[in-house]
Amino acid sequence: QVQLVQSGAEVRKPGASVKVSCKASGYTFTSYFMHWVRQAPGQGLEWMGIINPSGGSTNYAQKFQGRVTMTRDTSTSTVYMELSSLRSEDTALYYCARDRILVVVAAPPYAMDVWGQGTTVTVSS
Amino acid sequence: QSALTQPASVSGSPGQSITISCTGTSSDVGGYNYVSWYQQHPGKAPKLMIYDVSKRPSGVSNRFSGSKSGNTASLTISGLQAEDEADYYCSSYTSSSTSFGGGTKLTVL
Repeated sequence: QVQLVQSGAEVRKPGASVKVSCKASGYTFTSYFMHWVRQAPGQGLEWMGIINPSGGSTNYAQKFQGRVTMTRDTSTSTVYMELSSLRSEDTALYYCARDRILVVVAAPPYAMDVWGQGTTVTVSS
Repeated sequence: QSALTQPASVSGSPGQSITISCTGTSSDVGGYNYVSWYQQHPGKAPKLMIYDVSKRPSGVSNRFSGSKSGNTASLTISGLQAEDEADYYCSSYTSSSTSFGGGTKLTVL
């Protein structure tokens, strides 16, 4: 079955970086875009950006430009999200989520049909 | 502050229908037929309920329906059931990015 399995919880000090992984299985990894979405405690969903696993191209939300890097490893069907210069406001549950359309379809990717279990990132001194 | 505006909470009794609104601008909701809705139960990942304004993924109950008028999209749940109690988020495509609403807590009385 289609599944996204994320890495475990992380604790970082302010100013540090964190790298979260998301391993895909059950489908052709390079055929679907992957989003990253975060949710602060008790808050709503926030879109961080998207990566095309086929060519590696990315598009980041303006809020995270310069601090976030999304990459992929096609040999292991894994996408990564690295966030740097962490501050307390980055404490959140981070999700990877697959887009529902194929990368070859001439329509914008925006709807996410498969989600990972989430990775808690805590930023605290 | 979220880009899309949703009511903080709505409620309804079992069997009733409720509607959750999602207001954006001509740059997002009003400019594209790319609106989606997600259901999130406590401690769980979001679940896609509606995409492209009114389409339902396979497996989603036909009690859930979506629509749009101008800059406002709506999610309607008919025949409310206890298991529908959850948070609901709208989302829209907007010039190479995605915006979410702030979320609406649905309480089934």
